[in-house]
Amino acid sequence: ILNVEQSPQSLHVQEGDSTNFTCSFPSSNFYALHWYRWETAKSPEALFVMTLNGDEKKKGRISATLNTKEGYSYLYIKGSQPEDSATYLCASINAGNMLTFGGGTRLMVKP
Amino acid sequence: SQTIHQWPATLVQPVGSPLSLECTVEGTSNPNLYWYRQAAGRGLQLLFYSVGIGQISSEVPQNLSASRPQDRQFILSSKKLLLSDSGFYLCAWSRTSGYNEQFFGPGTRLTVL
Repeated sequence: ILNVEQSPQSLHVQEGDSTNFTCSFPSSNFYALHWYRWETAKSPEALFVMTLNGDEKKKGRISATLNTKEGYSYLYIKGSQPEDSATYLCASINAGNMLTFGGGTRLMVKP
Repeated sequence: SQTIHQWPATLVQPVGSPLSLECTVEGTSNPNLYWYRQAAGRGLQLLFYSVGIGQISSEVPQNLSASRPQDRQFILSSKKLLLSDSGFYLCAWSRTSGYNEQFFGPGTRLTVL
């Protein structure tokens, strides 16, 4: 069983602030890491699928990095906006395409 | 395009009653299918997954069961609900190869009283 940890559990930032949060996962037998964004009253939606050590992915103001040797990934949001408020989930994936989710980081951006 | 449906959206059931939640996927064939639960204050927990009709794997022991009677239909059931079964249930699908992301349904909020 994989143990995926996310920190912090929750985060309050002001509009315009940049922020980042962490996902840590067991580095042995790593296959892929997913980041999802889960807005209230909606379904989780995939942000990034990352597989290679050193991977960097970007989508608008959101980017993510991956370190498979030490077992962590960072998600960055530049210039946070109220619409970025959501829970951000990471999940580590094994060869059977099974995801183990972290507990999520709940981001609240105040206007 | 692919879509995933879940129903009902919300459900309030007494302890000891049966449960049936349904999930269907459109626009793809032979998907991997998953049931997750988010209990209050906790992350997403994988309950069941299926790689084909009639093939179900369980990740955690519980009083829930799952079935896949058709390629794009996944059902979560219980004969007798417990208080601890309350939570938000999500169905998801993914393609069968690669590192492909999972696509989630709208979810069912289950409250057991």
